[in-house]
Amino acid sequence: DVKVTQSSRYLVKRTGEKVFLECVQDMDHENMFWYRQDPGLGLRLIYFSYDVKMKEKGDIPEGYSVSREKKERFSLILESASTNQTSMYLCASSFVTGSPLHFGNGTRLTVT
Amino acid sequence: GENVEQHPSTLSVQEGDSAVIKCTYSDSASNYFPWYKQELGKGPQLIIDIRSNVGEKKDQRIAVTLNKTAKHFSLHITETQPEDSAVYFCAANPYDKVIFGPGTSLSVIP
Repeated sequence: DVKVTQSSRYLVKRTGEKVFLECVQDMDHENMFWYRQDPGLGLRLIYFSYDVKMKEKGDIPEGYSVSREKKERFSLILESASTNQTSMYLCASSFVTGSPLHFGNGTRLTVT
Repeated sequence: GENVEQHPSTLSVQEGDSAVIKCTYSDSASNYFPWYKQELGKGPQLIIDIRSNVGEKKDQRIAVTLNKTAKHFSLHITETQPEDSAVYFCAANPYDKVIFGPGTSLSVIP
């Protein structure tokens, strides 16, 4: 069974801090995604990657960057955290384009 | 870019009744339409999906229909049970992205 693991369940950071959210998948999936989930807005795509060292902007990339140095690991970076980045962050992976996403259980980030 | 709308945002049904959630999409390049269920404290999990060359798909109490011409697709849950209570998301997959609707919170009342 595919497992997507997000390193932290809850994080509290201060405004201006650099924040790293880590995600690891164990099924050799090609594609990895970062979404943020906010009430009433659903899941919005921040960045995705379809290969090592490759990244593509999603619909809301501003204020974020990503790193994929190894196939199994996809990191989301908040260069300078702001209060409007308080949200639930979900990582997902898929075998190829057009195949089901497998999600982690999310990281709830609070920026104060 | 792709835009996915989903209705209703909340839905309450009596146990045993049916529930229907409807979605529309805008990009005719979308050819894969998954549905995800999210339980409290967990990430979304795929429950059923349909591809653009199929009009309907069924898996036990869950069915999905797709109307490509109208760019509509719907989730049907029959004989609802309390464990069906969750947030449901539809999604469309144009090219490399997966774009989600805003979600429907389903409550099944025993």
